[in-house]
Amino acid sequence: DIVMTQTPLSTAVTLGQPASISCRSSQSLVHSDGGTYLSWLHQRPGQPPRLLIYKISNRFSGVPDRFSGSGAGTDFTLKISRVEAEDVGVFYCTQAIQYPYTFGQGTKLEIK
Amino acid sequence: EVQLVESGGGLVQPGGSLRLSCAASGFTFSDYEMNWVRQAPGKGLEWISYIYSSGSAKYYADSVKGRFTVSRDNAKNSLYLQMNSLRADDTAVYYCAREVVQLTDAFDIWGQGTLVTVSS
Repeated sequence: DIVMTQTPLSTAVTLGQPASISCRSSQSLVHSDGGTYLSWLHQRPGQPPRLLIYKISNRFSGVPDRFSGSGAGTDFTLKISRVEAEDVGVFYCTQAIQYPYTFGQGTKLEIK
Repeated sequence: EVQLVESGGGLVQPGGSLRLSCAASGFTFSDYEMNWVRQAPGKGLEWISYIYSSGSAKYYADSVKGRFTVSRDNAKNSLYLQMNSLRADDTAVYYCAREVVQLTDAFDIWGQGTLVTVSS
């Protein structure tokens, strides 16, 4: 199974300040079709997850441009340029290149 | 509105069975691959099952293989998860999620979830 490792597991950020979350996969997420099957999800308290980023860096419909994704191969990063109150919750990276699909442990973001 | 609505959760005794349903609306259900993901109380996300758009291919996590069965009825726009031989560690919120090939198989739509509690 592909292991997804996120760091940090929790972070407290002042409103308006940036935040960064790292995700490392135990195997390359590059598919033979050239695409990299890495996405990021955000789960607010009491809510289902929602898709933020797919294919490393593509923002899903309606996702604010303060969210950005980067990386390649096995190392990926989610950045929030200016944290807002609605960003609290848990962020997950996930891979869909191989079954079983796997998720990172989650990174809890709180407001300082 | 594109929507997934799960139902069928509840309290069940260890060793018991439960069938979850996921009703899809607002999109052509038969065009999409679907998944079940669960989340134990206070824990992270765990993928448990996948089914191809036609139902011709299915995959399972080792933790549920042989006990859970995924199925779908495209005529009814519905996804199902038959859960047998339930254990305490199956206690979780169960989500259905739509997988989109064009988004490198990302899960773009999630239901609100249904809670399954396995306890005597």
